[in-house]
Amino acid sequence: DADVTQTPRNRITKTGKRIMLECSQTKGHDRMYWYRQDPGLGLRLIYYSFDVKDINKGEISDGYSVSRQAQAKFSLSLESAIPNQTALYFCATSDLGTGGYNEQFFGPGTRLTVL
Amino acid sequence: EDKVVQSPLSLVVHEGDTVTLNCSYEVTNFRSLLWYKQEKKAPTFLFMLTSSGIEKKSGRLSSILDKKELFSILNITATQTGDSAIYLCAVIKAQKLVFGQGTRLTINP
Repeated sequence: DADVTQTPRNRITKTGKRIMLECSQTKGHDRMYWYRQDPGLGLRLIYYSFDVKDINKGEISDGYSVSRQAQAKFSLSLESAIPNQTALYFCATSDLGTGGYNEQFFGPGTRLTVL
Repeated sequence: EDKVVQSPLSLVVHEGDTVTLNCSYEVTNFRSLLWYKQEKKAPTFLFMLTSSGIEKKSGRLSSILDKKELFSILNITATQTGDSAIYLCAVIKAQKLVFGQGTRLTINP
């Protein structure tokens, strides 16, 4: 079974609709992240959470919100989707690691298309 | 503003060739640099580099960091078609990752 899962894997929606993307992990990591990937732009951080009570904005948080329901679950919402939010969305997790950081493990991604 | 720049953005070579991918960065409070490989979907971790001049190696892949000149390279020798992927470089800043644009590598048989 995958350690980091995302649902749905693909979603097509219309402008103005509310969308929720969900992420679950079985790795026991405290830290969870949401990224979007656009062609030629690499991955950009939307929100991150270092534990259940900690939520932080990333580089491009406008138009998005998140909820950390439990250590294992981190959801991303688009309150009113717009076409330029069409992208590939990744959830990732990490633990603290030695020296205060460890590598991140990524989910399979959700391809979102906003018409 | 923090910046991570990868070059080239795209590279096409023949199987058996050796390739070098570049990653330069301008990041305050630099800690470490990571390389990921992204095939169909999720990026998978390759290397984390923290110290200058120490090569990390995994099979045909190797990487090194130069903290004075602020760059890293990823070398792949004797390339195979399975090496075709997007290679992502990322720098740790304030316990988060700042990614470059990625290099799309295509290996033709």
